[in-house]
Amino acid sequence: AQSVTQLDSHVSVSEGTPVLLRCNYSSSYSPSLFWYVQHPNKGLQLLLKYTSAATLVKGINGFEAEFKKSETSFHLTKPSAHMSDAAEYFCVVSDPTGTYKYIFGTGTRLKVLA
Amino acid sequence: GAGVSQSPSNKVTEKGKDVELRCDPISGHTALYWYRQSLGQGLEFLIYFQGNSAPDKSGLPSDRFSAERTGGSVSTLTIQRTQQEDSAVYLCASSTRQTLHNEQFFGPGTRLTVL
Repeated sequence: AQSVTQLDSHVSVSEGTPVLLRCNYSSSYSPSLFWYVQHPNKGLQLLLKYTSAATLVKGINGFEAEFKKSETSFHLTKPSAHMSDAAEYFCVVSDPTGTYKYIFGTGTRLKVLA
Repeated sequence: GAGVSQSPSNKVTEKGKDVELRCDPISGHTALYWYRQSLGQGLEFLIYFQGNSAPDKSGLPSDRFSAERTGGSVSTLTIQRTQQEDSAVYLCASSTRQTLHNEQFFGPGTRLTVL
């Protein structure tokens, strides 16, 4: 069975400092992994996705994530946080067995301090 | 271009009433998903439609929940005899085709409050 674990429910950083949001996955198959962001009262927006083409994946708004099979991790990073990054972030794995439905992590709420 | 749209954006209802939530997927997307986002349960899968195939209803929490997709496009999620635990944001997503790596595009959701 597929699953993802987001290790931190809340992360606070100061504006201009690096962001690290942690995600570990469990999958019987070579996984397809995604990071989505949800701003308050908005829909989910795709930040980036891992599809096995490259282990370092670059996304929108300066975010990137590195797939590490040995550590079963797919952590999301950004070199310098901006106030507009404050939102909830979801790590997602796609279920490979038929429907490709999403299995979501519990989310990490990022707070950016001025 | 137009994204996934959902209506209504907010719905307040009384316990025991039926509600219908609508989703308009992106034109040409054959796969359509419903998810529920609630405080206690996080984001969970409800139901999946792919073209003319039988839907995957494995995520529906009870037989009070049902969904249909007419003409391979618009979908309606119906909750009968609503309960307070049905209060949540209901999200619809669509995707171009059924592959492992295809991203899903989400609508803004319908916030359902059951009094």
